[in-house]
Amino acid sequence: GAVVSQHPSRVICKSGTSVKIECRSLDFQATTMFWYRQFPKQSLMLMATSNEGSKATYEQGVEKDKFLINHASLTLSTLTVTSAHPEDSSFYICSGASSGGFPQGTQYFGPGTRLTVL
Amino acid sequence: GQQLNQSPQSMFIQEGEDVSMNCTSSSIFNTWLWYKQDPGEGPVLLIALYKAGELTSNGRLTAQFGITRKDSFLNISASIPSDVGIYFCAGRETSGSRLTFGEGTQLTVNP
Repeated sequence: GAVVSQHPSRVICKSGTSVKIECRSLDFQATTMFWYRQFPKQSLMLMATSNEGSKATYEQGVEKDKFLINHASLTLSTLTVTSAHPEDSSFYICSGASSGGFPQGTQYFGPGTRLTVL
Repeated sequence: GQQLNQSPQSMFIQEGEDVSMNCTSSSIFNTWLWYKQDPGEGPVLLIALYKAGELTSNGRLTAQFGITRKDSFLNISASIPSDVGIYFCAGRETSGSRLTFGEGTQLTVNP
């Protein structure tokens, strides 16, 4: 299957700082990337969808000014959590999907980033 | 919005037993995907289904896309300890790119 990487895998930061998480598709071109958030023992919650070169589409209730998403190339998307607070602590997972190469709708996930805000 | 019910929520089985879990939706899907997630990791794609009635296997795993396009099941045969994890179903509607995820099935396999 297609490979997606995320960096960093874990990050601990102080309240009020900003954190950037990178998501890369290693062996395919991700025309669409998705960012999810997952709380312990819960399912994945979609935060936003981004297409390369376009502004991200945010789900209802997700603050676009707090969670900045950039999808500058077909292999890289970044999520920046701005002015992080303890309630932003969570497991953030990205996924990539391609418009060609494999059937539409199939998403391949990164390994996730554990964010802890002190 | 669409709802996707996954059951059971958790299962405790003995090694060697077969396992079955399923998902039903309130909407028609054109894609069903089954993922497995280990603790602290991202979901890994197990099986992808794209046609109603489709039955697909991946080793000891078999999944089917329901005829009504509103349900799917995943079977695991002869379970082993490394099957432990959370299994998620996910569906994609006929339009749009987003997936809707089930709540997950936590599988525990006792040696």
